Amino acid sequence: KAGVTQTPRYLIKTRGQQVTLSCSPISGHRSVSWYQQTPGQGLQFLFEYFSETQRNKGNFPGRFSGRQFSNSRSEMNVSTLELGDSALYLCASSSLGQGTEAFFGQGTRLTVV
Amino acid sequence: AQSVTQPDIHITVSEGASLELRCNYSYGATPYLFWYVQSPGQGLQLLLKYFSGDTLVQGIKGFEAEFKRSQSSFNLRKPSVHWSDAAEYFCAVGKDDKIIFGKGTRLHILP
Repeated sequence: KAGVTQTPRYLIKTRGQQVTLSCSPISGHRSVSWYQQTPGQGLQFLFEYFSETQRNKGNFPGRFSGRQFSNSRSEMNVSTLELGDSALYLCASSSLGQGTEAFFGQGTRLTVV
Repeated sequence: AQSVTQPDIHITVSEGASLELRCNYSYGATPYLFWYVQSPGQGLQLLLKYFSGDTLVQGIKGFEAEFKRSQSSFNLRKPSVHWSDAAEYFCAVGKDDKIIFGKGTRLHILP
């Protein structure tokens, strides 16, 4: 069974640009959650999608958005990038939803310069 | 408010020594409990989980954890660590479609 796939693995963007990250969950999993991980703040929850609906949302500005497609693949978008958005972005999938066993992808390392 | 506390930011142990990583949580009801491990630049890998039943849980890579309801704790243990165990460890609690992660404990192994 293939694991959670995140693309791309690495990205370098300039301040003010926007970026789209992709996550393909484990086959059959309907829940996809996104996290931002930085050395200073640790793991911070961005949002969770379940069957194409955003079910939970963390405390991030509206520049951070996401969506989920009918095949459960998810994308997150960050607009008007800031230096502080540099982080490892992790995607996790689960069959039952956040709060149960989650499987993580390897992450996308975003660097904003 | 719900919270997860990992009181040790860094822990250093010698290879072959025993290990215990602490985790305490604050939750209204008994949540699901997890330990994850993260190697540098990688995603998180689930080590073990507790949903119900036997309070001593066995996981992968020789790890185990014990749920103590009276202490609201879920400490991770390993009898003999290997150099490859050097990583960051996260405790997490989940319930009602929410999961909360601790800040993590970075484990250093001395040769």
